[in-house]
Amino acid sequence: ETGVTQSPTHLIKTRGQQVTLRCSSQSGHNTVSWYQQALGQGPQFIFQYYREEENGRGNFPPRFSGLQFPNYSSELNVNALELDDSALYLCASKLGGTGLNEQFFGPGTRLTVL
Amino acid sequence: AQTVTQSQPEMSVQEAETVTLSCTYDTSESNYYLFWYKQPPSRQMILVIRQEAYKQQNATENRFSVNFQKAAKSFSLKISDSQLGDTAMYFCAFMKRKTSYDKVIFGPGTSLSVIP
Repeated sequence: ETGVTQSPTHLIKTRGQQVTLRCSSQSGHNTVSWYQQALGQGPQFIFQYYREEENGRGNFPPRFSGLQFPNYSSELNVNALELDDSALYLCASKLGGTGLNEQFFGPGTRLTVL
Repeated sequence: AQTVTQSQPEMSVQEAETVTLSCTYDTSESNYYLFWYKQPPSRQMILVIRQEAYKQQNATENRFSVNFQKAAKSFSLKISDSQLGDTAMYFCAFMKRKTSYDKVIFGPGTSLSVIP
């Protein structure tokens, strides 16, 4: 186990709803990234937070937003859910802003949008 | 934009044998990192091995080694003495070096089955 936890494990929502996914970083890690992994595909980078500020974003619309708290836990919020948002959402934490410190992934949250 | 390609969607290998997973990438960058990640059926992604592009020497980690060909933009993973616990999805990944954030670009993955 990596020490990164995510909740909930599974979630079912309907189109148009909003969802919040949570991530608890490994102790001491001040950087968290979120990824979307559609079925049968590799993960895609959504955004990264460093010391409570978003410092980088992938090609995802503004309805994907996040927060990082002073204890470095994190949330991913998705508004106006679409069917294509169905995926495994992974968070990964690391120490430091950028560079080759290893990222440690959580087990993911499986989101199904009906 | 960078892309990562894995041309083998599925592979299988007999236990104790050796298998090589292929990966190619496209980038105009000269300074970057390459990774192989393993995602077992339990879903938690773990880092298998990493290579810094400026290092010519191929990285090795126990039974895992890479063949890094920078000019050909190729980065294959060799698993020696395959074990049942190696059964997993394997993702090749790329990350630019010295940027303000870590954007890891993953390939589509190769599903490896180790057969007893």
